[in-house]
Amino acid sequence: GAGVSQSPSNKVTEKGKDVELRCDPISGHTALYWYRQSLGQGLEFLIYFQGNSAPDKSGLPSDRFSAERTGGSVSTLTIQRTQQEDSAVYLCASSLGSGSGANVLTFGAGSRLTVL
Amino acid sequence: LAKTTQPISMDSYEGQEVNITCSHNNIATNDYITWYQQFPSQGPRFIIQGYKTKVTNEVASLFIPADRKSSTLSLPRVSLSDTAVYYCLVSNSGYALNFGKGTSLLVTP
Repeated sequence: GAGVSQSPSNKVTEKGKDVELRCDPISGHTALYWYRQSLGQGLEFLIYFQGNSAPDKSGLPSDRFSAERTGGSVSTLTIQRTQQEDSAVYLCASSLGSGSGANVLTFGAGSRLTVL
Repeated sequence: LAKTTQPISMDSYEGQEVNITCSHNNIATNDYITWYQQFPSQGPRFIIQGYKTKVTNEVASLFIPADRKSSTLSLPRVSLSDTAVYYCLVSNSGYALNFGKGTSLLVTP
């Protein structure tokens, strides 16, 4: 597509429920990133995919968080047993996998998660 | 990955030139320097990228000295709409890019 698409744009859930957030990157972008941004804070790196592989999962805050990417395209971030501290905007970005373009990330509009 | 240091906040008046300097003392030979802009309730947006010397586009200029241990983003004649957070990143692969807290620029009339 023309840009990075994320869904849902807003999600309100109850504590303890599972949520899935979806990211559809720019066609041809082999690298995909998930970040989290709490209110008034900077971006917190979560996970990075190169193709379908995730060489760096170091940012995932706990084992309740997981992510997958299939077909080198769409990615899903899953949060199990959500907690109130999971409330944040979850941002997805994609980029070319190598060269100077690897550092040029295009971000989606984000998925705002509110855990009650 | 090279660590970056930039001011937490800056203030400016409309019409002035704003220069935001980022320090990256341990930049690697093949690292690029990339700047992003983020408005409230939006994801960051790529502004400019450089490797050495000076790069200019329709939005900003990026000055990089010969030792590459710092870089300066220059915004000419800022307007109120330039109020945003500006992030400096240094990397050669896009791997685990750390955006940090950025510089919060406030432009007032």
